Amino acid sequence: SAVISQKPSRDICQRGTSLTIQCQVDSQVTMMFWYRQQPGQSLTLIATANQGSEATYESGFVIDKFPISRPNLTFSTLTVSNMSPEDSSIYLCSVDGTFPTDTQYFGPGTRLTVL
Amino acid sequence: AQTVTQSQPEMSVQEAETVTLSCTYDTSESDYYLFWYKQPPSRQMILVIRQEAYKQQNATENRFSVNFQKAAKSFSLKISDSQLGDAAMYFCAYRRLYGQNFVFGPGTRLSVLP
Repeated sequence: SAVISQKPSRDICQRGTSLTIQCQVDSQVTMMFWYRQQPGQSLTLIATANQGSEATYESGFVIDKFPISRPNLTFSTLTVSNMSPEDSSIYLCSVDGTFPTDTQYFGPGTRLTVL
Repeated sequence: AQTVTQSQPEMSVQEAETVTLSCTYDTSESDYYLFWYKQPPSRQMILVIRQEAYKQQNATENRFSVNFQKAAKSFSLKISDSQLGDAAMYFCAYRRLYGQNFVFGPGTRLSVLP
């Protein structure tokens, strides 16, 4: 399994501001995934980030709102831009395991509250 | 598109007893993977158990086992000898054989009563 860390673990932000969430993995991985978990809800995939290429966004998520960077094989950032209270969620990053590769391992999540 | 359903929003079990969480899914694929993840209040998503659809044998991991019924598209999780630390949200998830992303069910909140 992979060891994944996220920063910050939680934050409280004002409407209209932006927050960048960092995800660090202890091994090189091809793809990293970003999920949103709204209060009391399940996980929804925001985008898939490959190193060296543009992230692939799921329906309902756009790059202007959730820009993603993937500068190397162990690191990614997700920015939540121009925040509104509806963006209050837990944001999780995940990666595929090395064996088996079909299993995803998750970071501890970032709890975001927008006032 | 694949969908995953968990019909029990909440369940409770007495400590040391056995509980079964239900999951059904919809897919037209013949090969895929199924998972149960646990999310305690700490938010960390933890893999509980994994099943390959092309294997008929039900997966087991210590006190956790699944009842995989491929024809019925059912994938239930049985927790034996429940412990207080088992209290969490449990998510059933589906992944295509060559797919990238998971489809998660809505979750079941499990409470363990002392």
